[in-house]
Amino acid sequence: EAEVAQSPRYKITEKSQAVAFWCDPISGHATLYWYRQILGQGPELLVQFQDESVVDDSQLPKDRFSAERLKGVDSTLKIQPAELGDSAMYLCASSLAGTPYEQYFGPGTRLTVT
Amino acid sequence: GQSLEQPSEVTAVEGAIVQINCTYQTSGFYGLSWYQQHDGGAPTFLSYNALDGLEETGRFSSFLSRSDSYGYLLLQELQMKDSASYFCAVRPRNSGNTPLVFGKGTRLSVIA
Repeated sequence: EAEVAQSPRYKITEKSQAVAFWCDPISGHATLYWYRQILGQGPELLVQFQDESVVDDSQLPKDRFSAERLKGVDSTLKIQPAELGDSAMYLCASSLAGTPYEQYFGPGTRLTVT
Repeated sequence: GQSLEQPSEVTAVEGAIVQINCTYQTSGFYGLSWYQQHDGGAPTFLSYNALDGLEETGRFSSFLSRSDSYGYLLLQELQMKDSASYFCAVRPRNSGNTPLVFGKGTRLSVIA
């Protein structure tokens, strides 16, 4: 069964350092999402791609976060510099373009900033 | 704007039926989705109601009433493995791109 792949699964970094997360969506899924989830809360969208184009990054803290999906397949989310408040689970999801309500999530990256 | 309200916690007995409610305040949306998330795991899609009424998928059913701004997820014949968090989510009907907005989730504990 096709799955969304993410790496690393866990990341511990010191504040002010740079960190990057990688995501490989399900083959054929044109839409890719990056979410941040704080314990006890629902996922919150950071950025959404349609193929290689950003369609929504309104909640992305652009002073420190960046995301790219250069070839419209896999994607990278970067934080530089990391802050203590960035500690959270970062989830990647993908969907077919016509079914945005049915998203498939990867296992996530648990980020701890010390 | 839009907001989704769910109970934070629900406890039910193995073999029983439990209903998780979701009320929303939004001017319009495309449909109501439900996701399950086990501790330490990723959310997994359960169901989607595009129209009012009941959708059934095995032990799980989901209901939507737009006129009442209300929906629910019904879990029957509860099993211990159903212990997880359940999130309702909507995609608001606005101009331009409208991402999925998740509720804060309901933590279901199934006890023996």
